[in-house]
Amino acid sequence: NAGVTQTPKFRVLKTGQSMTLLCAQDMNHEYMYWYRQDPGMGLRLIHYSVGEGTTAKGEVPDGYNVSRLKKQNFLLGLESAAPSQTSVYFCASSYTGTDYEQYFGPGTRLTVT
Amino acid sequence: TQLLEQSPQFLSIQEGENLTVYCNSSSVFSSLQWYRQEPGEGPVLLVTVVTGGEVKKLKRLTFQFGDARKDSSLHITAAQPGDTGLYLCAGARSESGFHNTDKLIFGTGTRLQVFP
Repeated sequence: NAGVTQTPKFRVLKTGQSMTLLCAQDMNHEYMYWYRQDPGMGLRLIHYSVGEGTTAKGEVPDGYNVSRLKKQNFLLGLESAAPSQTSVYFCASSYTGTDYEQYFGPGTRLTVT
Repeated sequence: TQLLEQSPQFLSIQEGENLTVYCNSSSVFSSLQWYRQEPGEGPVLLVTVVTGGEVKKLKRLTFQFGDARKDSSLHITAAQPGDTGLYLCAGARSESGFHNTDKLIFGTGTRLQVFP
């Protein structure tokens, strides 16, 4: 089992460019999450999904969009990148809700210049 | 607004010392999890506490959930270099009383360095 995988691992964008981060999980989990991690801020929830075809906003959704067309994949899109979106992005999945362990991917380090 | 504050933010100690990390909030949580994160990797779950006053032990690590379910602590006995990492607490907020719709709120993190 690969668990949770994320691509790419690193990316540098110029302001205004767009990109999509891909998250895949092979544990048949219903719930998937996208977080960003900034120094001194812990992890902040961007968007999440409670099942295939569903998405919901988290704590910091502005500037991001997501899609969950297949149960195993959760995509995070940046339509017009800004320097404030420089961060490390983590995808996670869990069996159902928050009483269950969240399994995290290795992260994507994004720099927007 | 950061709902979960962890202290201390940084901690550097020698191997063999004991330490306690605190996770505090003014909000009540239905459950609380502790994760450890190593550089270049995602967080990994250590424990979940659910009942107010609950104490769980994981080898040299002792986790306690406050009676009012607003705070938690992590105590490490005889720390070792392998304990080095970022420790994150995460509380589940109950919305409409249904656990399955909860979201995890992560704390600010405590970065621990244990020197040999």
